[in-house]
This record gives sequence, structure tokens and C-alpha cells, in this order.
Amino acid sequence: EVPLVESGGGLVQPGGSLRLSCAASGFTFTDYSMTWIRQAPGKGLEWVANINRDGSEAHYVASVQGRLTISRDNARNSLFLQMSSLRVEDTATYYCAREDYWIARAHNLHFLDVWGKGTTVTVSS
Amino acid sequence: DIQMTQSPSSLSASVGDRVSITCRASQNIITYLNWYQQKPGEAPKLLIYAASALQGGVPSRFSGSGSRTDFTLTITSLQPEDFATYYCQQSFAFPRTFGQGTKVEIK
Repeated sequence: EVPLVESGGGLVQPGGSLRLSCAASGFTFTDYSMTWIRQAPGKGLEWVANINRDGSEAHYVASVQGRLTISRDNARNSLFLQMSSLRVEDTATYYCAREDYWIARAHNLHFLDVWGKGTTVTVSS
Repeated sequence: DIQMTQSPSSLSASVGDRVSITCRASQNIITYLNWYQQKPGEAPKLLIYAASALQGGVPSRFSGSGSRTDFTLTITSLQPEDFATYYCQQSFAFPRTFGQGTKVEIK
């Protein structure tokens, strides 16, 4: 059983929209914050967005703020990324990842310990 | 945003070599530093969290050190399966930025 499986990628025109999904299994989804990370072709990793356990708080990298929206449905063990006003530079493989943390000296040290295999988004006319 | 700078961007090494990769943060991140390995066509894999804690199942030839702004990932005896790209990531503040990556290639 694969813990995280992304879906929803595809080809979309600039200015278009797309909704990515990430299905979680094998762990208690509500125990974890969740994160989207992307990787443009031949490039490095870019952290995109994070949502806390109950979905009440989200954070974004500046380049996607206002265009991409992270959300989750805890009843369905699912994470989403609603993408709108897409740009060519949004072309990438999008990974969802589970964020765990370790408590050391009153610090909550977060890390991404489980990753999906990714789904590819291509923005092109 | 906190900038993470890795060096070198790439390196060539032989099986059995000791390899070190450095990561520098643009501000003090205490030990909020993680290391990931990525092989071509695969998702990244967590190696080290909290600067020096080894993730379960990761071989002990991998180790991490450092604090505040300067961190190091060391592979004590490079194995064939270690040829990959390595990324550091800070989790001190949002956005949780990655370094640009260090590609470890076969000499």
C-alpha cells in the first residue's frame, strides 16, 4: 500500500485551472500537517504550500500566493491543490508529502518523511 | 524568506570515498535543517532531520552536523546506490525553503 498517491496532473493552457489531489492511506491523516512541493523539469525542489492538521491554517511560497490554494478533506483522507491563473513557470512535477516533527528542547523540528511519487503539470499553449 | 545555499553544486567521487556537502542558511535556523536524497525519476527521500538525527532505515554511513547557519551532510564511504542529488531544507520558518541541490556523480 502506497501511503500517498497524487493525481490530477495534465496539460493546461496558460491562464487555465487544474485541481491536484493526494490520497493518503496507512496512517492517521489528521495527525499530520501536509505539504506540496514541486520540481520543474531538470530543476531543484521548490516548497509550495503547507496546511495544518485541521485545515485552519495554510502557508504559501510568494510565487503562488493568490493563485494556488491548498486544502484538505480529513473525512476522505485527501489533500488538494487548486491551481488557477496558471503560468508556464508552474510546469513541474508536484509532490505531496507528510510533515512530521520531533520535539527537542522545546523546539518542534519539522521534516517531510513520506512523499508521493508525484503528478506532472504542464502549462503550455 | 530564508535562503539556503549548498556547496558544491556537483561533485565527482569514487566508491569508498568520504564525501561532504555543506548547506548555509541566510539566518540562524538553530537545528531546523533536513537532508533529502533524490535519484532520477524518483521522489525525494528523507535522510537526516533536525540537523543530525538519522531517519529510520537510512544507513549509518550518512551523518549530519551543524547548527545556526552552517550544516554538513557527510557520507563516510560512498556506495554505488548513493550517487544521487542531495537537498537541504530549513523548517525554521515558512516558506520552508530548499537548497539548490548537490549532484553526486561517479568519477
